[in-house]
Amino acid sequence: SQQGEEDPQALSIQEGENATMNCSYKTSINNLQWYRQNSGRGLVHLILIRSNEREKHSGRLRVTLDTSKKSSSLLITASRAADTASYFCATDQSGGSNYKLTFGKGTLLTVNP
Amino acid sequence: SAVISQKPSRDICQRGTSLTIQCQVDSQVTMMFWYRQQPGQSLTLIATANQGSEATYESGFVIDKFPISRPNLTFSTLTVSNMSPEDSSIYLCSGPGGGDTQYFGPGTRLTVL
Repeated sequence: SQQGEEDPQALSIQEGENATMNCSYKTSINNLQWYRQNSGRGLVHLILIRSNEREKHSGRLRVTLDTSKKSSSLLITASRAADTASYFCATDQSGGSNYKLTFGKGTLLTVNP
Repeated sequence: SAVISQKPSRDICQRGTSLTIQCQVDSQVTMMFWYRQQPGQSLTLIATANQGSEATYESGFVIDKFPISRPNLTFSTLTVSNMSPEDSSIYLCSGPGGGDTQYFGPGTRLTVL
C-alpha cells in the first residue's frame, strides 16, 4: 500500500468539535508535513514535524509523530466551517537532500455549521 | 515562505494537443517539482526540475510525454503532450521554502475532451 496512508478517508463533525486525522507510513523519514487543500485548489502548508520531534503546535493545530509506529496524527481543535478541506500528510524520505515528498491519500474533513 | 504562481489556472483542451504550464517562484530555488493529482486522488510526483540539467522523472512518467524546462532558478515549465482524457488532472508545481518545507502553486486544472 501507499506510503502515507491517512485515516479516516472522510470525517464529518460539527463546528466547535475537535477533528483528529491519522497518517501511517512505511519507511524511515526525515520529516513529515501536513497540508490542506480546499476544493481541488493548491496545497497550503500547515506544519512540519521532524523525525526527532514528537509533538508540535501551531495555533489550533497539534501534530504528533511516533517513529516507532511510523504514524502521525493531526488534531484540529475547536473546528470551524472554514476548516472544511482535504488534509494530506506527506513524508520526506530523502534525509533532507532532495525534498521529494510522498503523499498519502488524504482525509476529507467536513465541518458543519 | 515562497510564493509560487502558475499559469494557466485552468484549461480545456482537445485530445491530441499539448499544453504548457508555467511555474514561477518568487525566490531562487535549486529544485522545483511537478506533481499530478488525478480526480479524487492524492498527489503523485512527476519529476524534479533541476536548473542546468535534465529533469529527473519518477517511475511511470517519461520525458516524451511530460517534457520539462528549467531555464533559470525561478521558473519552470511542464508540457503535457499528445493529451488524452486520462491526462485530465490538476498539475501542481512546488519548491522548497526553507527548513525542508515545500510550498505549492495554486495548481492548473486540466480537462481533456
